[in-house]
Formats: sequence, C-alpha cells, structure tokens
Amino acid sequence: NAGVTQTPKFQVLKTGQSMTLQCAQDMNHEYMSWYRQDPGMGLRLIHYSVGAGITDQGEVPNGYNVSRSTTEDFPLRLLSAAPSQTSVYFCASRSLEGLAGNQQFFGPGTRLTVL
Amino acid sequence: AQSVTQPDIHITVSEGASLELRCNYSYGATPYLFWYVQSPGQGLQLLLKYFSGDTLVQGIKGFEAEFKRSQSSFNLRKPSVHWSDAAEYFCATYGNQFYFGTGTSLTVIP
Repeated sequence: NAGVTQTPKFQVLKTGQSMTLQCAQDMNHEYMSWYRQDPGMGLRLIHYSVGAGITDQGEVPNGYNVSRSTTEDFPLRLLSAAPSQTSVYFCASRSLEGLAGNQQFFGPGTRLTVL
Repeated sequence: AQSVTQPDIHITVSEGASLELRCNYSYGATPYLFWYVQSPGQGLQLLLKYFSGDTLVQGIKGFEAEFKRSQSSFNLRKPSVHWSDAAEYFCATYGNQFYFGTGTSLTVIP
C-alpha cells in the first residue's frame, strides 16, 4: 500500500513548455485533488475529481487541465508553463464514504520551477 | 464562505515549553476542522480532526486541540515541545472542499 504517489519530485521548465504531473493512489479513493502551495498562501485547490470521468475546478484552475480516466490516476497538465506557476504541487485523495470531510492523504509533492 | 485564519506566521518556542497555535474559523454551522503538520520537504500529515461531540480532541504525537464555538477557534496545543516538532502547521476546514489556513511555522530552540 503506497498511498498517494507523485512524480516527478522536482522539475524545471522554461516558459511556454508543457508537462504533466503524475498522481496515483492505491486506496480506491473516489476523491482526488491537486493543490499548489506558495509561501504565505497556504494550500490552494486547483482541480478536483469525485470519480472517474468527473472533474471540477477549484480556487485557482487557470493554466491547468486535469482528467480522470481511472480511479487510481489523476494527472495535472500545464499546457504552457508560466513563471507564476512556480510552486510546490500536492496531490491528495480521500474516500467519499462515511462522514463528510474524511481524512485526506497527501502525496510528497512536486517542486516545479518555471524559468 | 468558509475559511480559517492562522494569525501567527511564525512561532519560536524552547524545547520542553508548552505550545499553542491559533486557528480561527468562519462558518455559521458546526464546522469540520483539522490540523495538519508538514515537515520540511514532506507532504501534509493529519494531526487531528473535529467533527462534533467532545470539544477537546486528542491527536497524534501528543497534540490536542479544543473547539470553542464562542470564540470561533480551534487552537492546537502541546504541553511539552520536542525538537522534532519543528515544522509548518496548517489548520483546515471542510465544506464542499477543504480550505487551508496560511500556516504557522514553528521553530524549536534547544
């Protein structure tokens, strides 16, 4: 049981390049989400999904795309990277069964720098 | 809209001293409240959570938090801090999604 895994751990991009941040979970969680963490801003929700084929926008979705073709995977795509997207990105998952607000499990993060 | 506020950006305590990290929430009904800890270079780990019932919640690593509706607060406490507690602490609330505070950075001095 690996929990939530993210790849890569570090990435440097040039402005305008595209890339995909990978996230996978092996806990059969319905809910998966992407956050970005910036100094003094805490964690802000980018996109989330409540199941395969269902995605929705969070607080800061601009410049990012997501898809959810399987329960396990929830990749985050940057189509044209900008310096403002320099951040640490966290993927998280949780079960939707039982009490609302069940514990979220976080991945180790991807540190992205856009030059 | 729901939100949480952490008024202290950075706190320094001596090892062995007591600790209290502040969190204020904004929500009309009983909120779901959480405290997470983030060690350097790591993801977030859940310390404790409050949904309802007993207002004093025990968590992992010797932490506890008390829900006070009259003060709209959910402060995190530990009676004796260890050097390994140095980390970033986040308060969070849940509505249709999670809302995180901006975090409090804890430094522990010997």
